[in-house]
Amino acid sequence: DADVTQTPRNRITKTGKRIMLECSQTKGHDRMYWYRQDPGLGLRLIYYSFDVKDINKGEISDGYSVSRQAQAKFSLSLESAIPNQTALYFCATSERTGSEAFFGQGTRLTVV
Amino acid sequence: AQSVTQPDIHITVSEGASLELRCNYSYGATPYLFWYVQSPGQGLQLLLKYFSGDTLVQGIKGFEAEFKRSQSSFNLRKPSVHWSDAAEYFCAVGAGFIPKIIFGKGTRLHILP
Repeated sequence: DADVTQTPRNRITKTGKRIMLECSQTKGHDRMYWYRQDPGLGLRLIYYSFDVKDINKGEISDGYSVSRQAQAKFSLSLESAIPNQTALYFCATSERTGSEAFFGQGTRLTVV
Repeated sequence: AQSVTQPDIHITVSEGASLELRCNYSYGATPYLFWYVQSPGQGLQLLLKYFSGDTLVQGIKGFEAEFKRSQSSFNLRKPSVHWSDAAEYFCAVGAGFIPKIIFGKGTRLHILP
C-alpha cells in the first residue's frame, strides 16, 4: 500500500459544487501539505499543517479550506468550485520542516 | 525571497546520450536541495537530496547532482539516458525554518529513440 493515499484519483464536478479531496498517510509524519500543480507553474502550496491543531495558509489558499482530522488525515475542500480550480492536486508529508516530502499519487480535478 | 529556477522548460536527448538538467536557487543560507521526477499520471518521486557534506550526491535510477555554492546551482546529471527516463523533473529547495519546500517550474525531458 502507498504511504500517502489520495482519494479520489479523478473527479469531475460542476461549478458551484462543494467537493472534498482526502489524504491519508502511514508515514507517521506530523507535517502534511496540499499542493496544486498546473502546467508550466510547478507546484504551489495551498495549505500546510504541522499537527492537528496547527493549520496554515500557503501561497494560494483563497477558495480552499482544509481539515486535519487526525495525524494521518488531511482533507482539502473547495467550498464552491470554479473552473480555474481545475488542476492536479497533491498531498504530501514530511518528517520535519525542510526535509524531503513524500507525495501521494495526485487527484485530477476538473470543474466544468 | 527563496526561489528556484529551472531555465529549460523542455529538453530532448537521444537514448544513450548524457543528460544535464539545470537548477539555480536563491537562498540566503545553505539550503536543503532536492530533485524529484514525475512520470505521466504519477506523483512525485524523490531522486536525490542534498543536506550537507559531499557536494556530489548519488540518487536512484543512476542520477547524480552536484551542489555548487558559488554558482547557487544544483544540476542533475545522468551519463546515459534510457527511454524510461522521459518524465518531468522538478528541482526544489527547503530549509529548517521555512515551512514549505519551494519547487521550480519543472523541465520536461523527451527521449529520442
